[in-house]
Amino acid sequence: EIVLTQSPGTLSLSPGERATLSCRASQSVSSSYLAWYQQKPGQAPRLLIYGASTRATGIPDRFSGSGSGTDFTLTISRLEPEDFAVYYCQQYGSSPTWTFGQGTLVEIK
Amino acid sequence: QVHVVQSGAEVKKPGASVKVSCKASEYTFTSYAMHWVRQAPGQGLEWMGWINAANGDTKYSQKFQGRVTFTRDTSASTAYMELSSLRSEDTAVYYCAREVVLYAFDIWGQGTMVTVSS
Repeated sequence: EIVLTQSPGTLSLSPGERATLSCRASQSVSSSYLAWYQQKPGQAPRLLIYGASTRATGIPDRFSGSGSGTDFTLTISRLEPEDFAVYYCQQYGSSPTWTFGQGTLVEIK
Repeated sequence: QVHVVQSGAEVKKPGASVKVSCKASEYTFTSYAMHWVRQAPGQGLEWMGWINAANGDTKYSQKFQGRVTFTRDTSASTAYMELSSLRSEDTAVYYCAREVVLYAFDIWGQGTMVTVSS
């Protein structure tokens, strides 16, 4: 089973700053099957990025995804107040199975 | 507006079973698979498995195999998750989520809190 490790665990930034979140897989993942989600307290997750780099419907262009193989990145170009949340990466693998990373908290500095 | 609505919070005793429903609206229920994901308090997301809404085929995470059952009622556009032999570690919010292109989950239910306590 593929394990996804996200780093850092917590990212402390100010509004307007750039956020770079990492998701590393224990073995190569098809970039087509890597997604990112945002979750705010008390809410369900929201799909941000699928296929490693395609923004979901209605997602602002300050969110971007990149990467391939075992290393993937979610970048928020300029943090808005509503972007402070927990972010999860997710991959689809053979069997079929789905796996989530443990999450990165983006908090206000 | 496409959405899914889950049943309300449940409190169960250890050893009991719980059944959570997930009703889909404003889309063709049988055209998409439905997944179940849970989140223990203060923890991350854990995939439990999925059901093919068209034919009822299921795939369960190995962790829950033998204890979880997914079903669906196509006439009601509703998916169900039943978890048996509950223990305190099953206390969590349970989500259903629709699978779309490239195996991502675009529509999530609001979550159902299941509390297991004696």
